[in-house]
Amino acid sequence: ETGVTQTPRHLVMGMTNKKSLKCEQHLGHNAMYWYKQSAKKPLELMFVYNFKEQTENNSVPSRFSPECPNSSHLFLHLHTLQPEDSALYLCASSDTGAAQPQHFGDGTRLSIL
Amino acid sequence: QKEVEQDPGPLSVPEGAIVSLNCTYSNSAFQYFMWYRQYSRKGPELLMYTYSSGNKEDGRFTAQVDKSSKYISLFIRDSQPSDSATYLCAMSAAIGSQGNLIFGKGTKLSVKP
Repeated sequence: ETGVTQTPRHLVMGMTNKKSLKCEQHLGHNAMYWYKQSAKKPLELMFVYNFKEQTENNSVPSRFSPECPNSSHLFLHLHTLQPEDSALYLCASSDTGAAQPQHFGDGTRLSIL
Repeated sequence: QKEVEQDPGPLSVPEGAIVSLNCTYSNSAFQYFMWYRQYSRKGPELLMYTYSSGNKEDGRFTAQVDKSSKYISLFIRDSQPSDSATYLCAMSAAIGSQGNLIFGKGTKLSVKP
């Protein structure tokens, strides 16, 4: 497999559920990112990891909890989400260093009931 | 004033037309400029990457950066129905936390056969 793979592609969950999104990259990159994409809004950066260390948390509510066990895998743990959290969640990876081109997965479409 | 402004469209053109997509920005520290293409139900894919001012050409695609006007453009020559997608501009200052990519909202393009 090549590129950036995200699972699941679609997820419907209630506000009290706990679920996790998974991202895996096969590009040899050392930086990984979580973005939120909502209709009619720019991509919103949520978290950045460099060499497994979180280097950016863009004021994301604590109901989103990232985990990066190694440079190839990234998770986003979800709990007690709100309806406004319904969106497309995109994972990306890049070489380390600012302004490196990022390679995106196809995202997880999340719907909160 | 938003950091990056991009007309969301939608933009509809006939096959073979020249398409011009644009973004303006306010942060004079931006030095790296990218264009991503996002097909429906897919993640963004990097189309063009430029540094500082000037032009860059790749096949039917030309990216232009005018830093004095804080204005970037993507031109598509001989547009094809397969070019129908949302085009996102992104830019970075490459300095510390300003090194993160800042995205426009995206312009939805439809090329009619």
